[in-house]
Amino acid sequence: QKEVEQNSGPLSVPEGAIASLNCTYSDRGSQSFFWYRQYSGKSPELIMSIYSNGDKEDGRFTAQLNKASQYVSLLIRDSQPSDSATYLCAVTSGTYKYIFGTGTRLKVLA
Amino acid sequence: EPEVTQTPSHQVTQMGQEVILRCVPISNHLYFYWYRQILGQKVEFLVSFYNNEISEKSEIFDDQFSVERPDGSNFTLKIRSTKLEDSAMYFCASSVSGAYNSPLHFGNGTRLTVT
Repeated sequence: QKEVEQNSGPLSVPEGAIASLNCTYSDRGSQSFFWYRQYSGKSPELIMSIYSNGDKEDGRFTAQLNKASQYVSLLIRDSQPSDSATYLCAVTSGTYKYIFGTGTRLKVLA
Repeated sequence: EPEVTQTPSHQVTQMGQEVILRCVPISNHLYFYWYRQILGQKVEFLVSFYNNEISEKSEIFDDQFSVERPDGSNFTLKIRSTKLEDSAMYFCASSVSGAYNSPLHFGNGTRLTVT
């Protein structure tokens, strides 16, 4: 059974701090990796995609991928209270499937 | 920006009834998906659909479920003989080129309540 693991949290950080979210996956064949944000009662919203090893930055967000360690992370700089949400890691499995982790709940304290 | 559209936003049905959840994927996307999220739990894969046929399905997607693309724009999930445990948020999603370098784009979901 292919799995994606995340710490469920909550991860509490003060406003303005860096939030670090982590994800591990079991399928060595996974090719594509995504971070989604989900507010309570809403649908997942894409934040970042990353497809190759290393770092990818987009505004306040940086995704990091290490395929050898089967590890993906998301850094959120200058965290804002509006960033408080559940962050979902998603990993592709084969051609037709995306597997989601349980999500990490982030709370940014004003 | 193009969106995935789902209707209805909320569906209440009685146990044993059939429901059809509807979705209009993004127009240039070729791969379509249904996911389910039971309250407080993770987003679970149900089925993927490409080229007018099911590409992959999960163990959850048993004979109670079916999908269809009845025309060039709609994509539906039918649940026959609903059970209490089918109560969940159902998300339709689409992607341009499948699970290779192509993110999923989600609709707003249909909240299904089975009483």
